[in-house]
Amino acid sequence: SSELTQDPAVSVALGQTVRITCQGDSLRSYYASWYQQKPGQAPLLVIYGKNNRPSGIPDRFSGSSSGNTASLTITGAQAEDEADYYCNSRDISGDHLVFGGGTKLTVL
Amino acid sequence: EVQLVESGGGLVKPGGSLRLSCAASGFTFSSYSMNWVRQAPGKGLEWVSSITGSSYIYYADSVKGRFTISRDNAKTSLYLQMNSLRAEDTAVYYCARDLGGSYREHSFDYWGQGTPVTVFS
Repeated sequence: SSELTQDPAVSVALGQTVRITCQGDSLRSYYASWYQQKPGQAPLLVIYGKNNRPSGIPDRFSGSSSGNTASLTITGAQAEDEADYYCNSRDISGDHLVFGGGTKLTVL
Repeated sequence: EVQLVESGGGLVKPGGSLRLSCAASGFTFSSYSMNWVRQAPGKGLEWVSSITGSSYIYYADSVKGRFTISRDNAKTSLYLQMNSLRAEDTAVYYCARDLGGSYREHSFDYWGQGTPVTVFS
């Protein structure tokens, strides 16, 4: 079983704000990174570290963390944001890496 | 432009072997940790193995003892030797680069398109 826990599915109305969460004990020590994956495509890094966006990622994507929970927020969700989202971090030992089970985001 | 191109996937019987390759370009390969991540059909992402620029190696428990990660910095290539393959190893295998930076801030900043591996009897 995954050491990072995500809700399997979340929906949001077009233009509204949605938060996708990731829970795990290792998140008290390590930041999560977040990936967007569309069908048939490789994952794409959207947030890393405290709240950093790679070049080309829209500023409607942001990240935050509190205690054992990391969050990805999309402010003003667009139709093209419909995708699977995965969190990733180190495990509690720090030597291994782990992904959350993924959250399927539907934009209504 | 950073590019990662995987190859070597295919069909194999249980107990068989495959060697995956990832050709890297567009960056100083030896300076980055590299990884293999897999995704079973219809399932989520699973980290498989990592190798640092100086060849420290880590494996997921699910593959330890069966898979071997290696790199050739002169050829800017990453490899995954997979032995004793099982049906549950069936997945798309991605090569991914570590962004680097603080130990607290792990992330994969570039990914290849993946190579499929099917283990069937």
